[in-house]
Amino acid sequence: EVQLVESGGGLVQPGRSLRLSCVASGFTFDDYAMHWVRQAPGRGLEWVSGISWNSGRIGYADSVKGRFTISRDSAKNSLYLQMSSLRAEDTAYYYCAKDVTYSPVNFFDWWGQGTLVTVSS
Amino acid sequence: EIVLTQSPGTLSLSPGERATLSCRASQSVSSNFLAWYQHKPGQAPRLLIHAASSRAAGIPDRFSGSGSGTDFTLTINRLEPEDFAVYYCHQYGMSPPPFGQGTNLEIK
Repeated sequence: EVQLVESGGGLVQPGRSLRLSCVASGFTFDDYAMHWVRQAPGRGLEWVSGISWNSGRIGYADSVKGRFTISRDSAKNSLYLQMSSLRAEDTAYYYCAKDVTYSPVNFFDWWGQGTLVTVSS
Repeated sequence: EIVLTQSPGTLSLSPGERATLSCRASQSVSSNFLAWYQHKPGQAPRLLIHAASSRAAGIPDRFSGSGSGTDFTLTINRLEPEDFAVYYCHQYGMSPPPFGQGTNLEIK
């Protein structure tokens, strides 16, 4: 069974950094693109970033470009999101999601349960 | 940038009734690259439909998707208690891939 387990969320002050992790199991991690999607309180889903199977293709939402960095480690079956210069508007549940192919431009067939990031002083 | 607008924002129905959820795109959706997800509080979102009308593995046949171009519909026949949730449409095949703002399907 596919499992995606996020971690690393918490309370952080504005301007600080945080690193989210997502450990994948139940499928061949190296074969698929992966994504981060977030949901702010009372809001809908927002795609944050996606990475291809070999990290050769990466994309970011304009709202996080230049501040967030997505990466993956095949040896650890893990996806990461390094978040810097955090703002109050980055407060959200962050979900890890698996793409259906190797390229990060498709739909998501499996999602994690999310990790909460709260940016506040 | 393509915008997806879902309606209604909230839909109040009773178990056994039919739900009709709409998703309208500001531009034509290429190749019908439109997916629907179900999201319940505290749970992982769940893929229901892709390519506008193809049910994902394990999804009951009371869920169906239709539409093309700019107008898409998710229909849920004979609502079960576990169907009450928030539903999102999602256009893929592009970056960034937009989501609709969601329709909250609540028990009447």
